[in-house]
Amino acid sequence: AQSVTQPDIHITVSEGASLELRCNYSYGATPYLFWYVQSPGQGLQLLLKYFSGDTLVQGIKGFEAEFKRSQSSFNLRKPSVHWSDAAEYFCAVGATGTYKYIFGTGTRLKVLA
Amino acid sequence: KAGVTQTPRYLIKTRGQQVTLSCSPISGHRSVSWYQQTPGQGLQFLFEYFSETQRNKGNFPGRFSGRQFSNSRSEMNVSTLELGDSALYLCASSSTSGASRTQYFGPGTRLTVL
Repeated sequence: AQSVTQPDIHITVSEGASLELRCNYSYGATPYLFWYVQSPGQGLQLLLKYFSGDTLVQGIKGFEAEFKRSQSSFNLRKPSVHWSDAAEYFCAVGATGTYKYIFGTGTRLKVLA
Repeated sequence: KAGVTQTPRYLIKTRGQQVTLSCSPISGHRSVSWYQQTPGQGLQFLFEYFSETQRNKGNFPGRFSGRQFSNSRSEMNVSTLELGDSALYLCASSSTSGASRTQYFGPGTRLTVL
């Protein structure tokens, strides 16, 4: 069965430091991959997506993610974190041939001033 | 373009009641999906509608139902509410259906069941 794992429930970084949020998926074929961000009490905002082609994708707010097929990973990165990046981040997978869209459990990011 | 709108934003009900939530998708989008978000279970897929047809349904009891109108607006209904139905209900719209659809989410409806 398809699944998405975000191993880190909480991550704390200092403002200005680099960030990497991990996402691993379990799926046989090439999946459709997404990262979303959710601020408290809000809906989800799309940061970036990967369907095919270049494995390094750029998103909004200075985020990027790299698809690594060999590792079944789609990690989210940002070179310098801002205090406003504090939020919860969700990785999601769309399974080819189905209508399913599976979310990871989320990683809550805290940014220290 | 206006984003996805959901009404109401907050709702308080008591056990046994029923509730209807509404979602207006982005103009031109024909797919609407619904999700339940709780601290314990995370984001769980409820169902997707495309051109008034239910395309897929998650693993929820029959008390959860939905529909989509010809203008793509969607409603979801929960009957005989239980305490465990307290959650943030998120609606997402997309221009296409299927696993490759890029979904844009609304702000959600916070349902509290007392």
